Amino acid sequence: KQEVTQIPAALSVPEGENLVLNCSFTDSAIYNLQWFRQDPGKGLTSLLLIQSSQREQTSGRLNASLDKSSGRSTLYIAASQPGDSATYLCAVKDTGRRALTFGSGTRLQVQP
Amino acid sequence: KAGVTQTPRYLIKTRGQQVTLSCSPISGHRSVSWYQQTPGQGLQFLFEYFSETQRNKGNFPGRFSGRQFSNSRSEMNVSTLELGDSALYLCASSPELREHDEQFFGPGTRLTVL
Repeated sequence: KQEVTQIPAALSVPEGENLVLNCSFTDSAIYNLQWFRQDPGKGLTSLLLIQSSQREQTSGRLNASLDKSSGRSTLYIAASQPGDSATYLCAVKDTGRRALTFGSGTRLQVQP
Repeated sequence: KAGVTQTPRYLIKTRGQQVTLSCSPISGHRSVSWYQQTPGQGLQFLFEYFSETQRNKGNFPGRFSGRQFSNSRSEMNVSTLELGDSALYLCASSPELREHDEQFFGPGTRLTVL
């Protein structure tokens, strides 16, 4: 059974800092991994999708990497801003279950 | 292009009642998935529909059911509501039933069971 873990559970940083969010998964037989952002009480916004054959994806100040063999992904946020404050979730779609399995998220607060 | 829409956005029901939630996928998307989000269990997969057929199912009791219409819109139904069914129900759509497709989520329906 796929298990996804996100560390840290919460993070508070001053504006302008670069930061890294971590995601690990137990079953490396995956189709892809997605990073999402969730604002309080809202739905999920897809940030980056990394296919199993890819090593990284970039969108603006965001960069996500994937090391499938070790079961790890990182989300790098450059020059953080108060508007980046949200919960960040990673999810994997594995070949067995064929549905997204989510981590519990990292709650990020960027202080002005 | 409009995103995934879900109605209603908020619902309050009492134990024992039933509820129906609706999801309209992104135009042209044919696959719809449903997820439940609770503080204790996080996000959990309910089921996925494609071409009006359930293609995948999570580990939820039979009180949770769904369907998909020919225009790809989907509904999920929860019967005999329990307090523990209080949650944010999220719908996601993707273009086809391909394993590598990205999923796009709607704003969710907040269900409160009293």
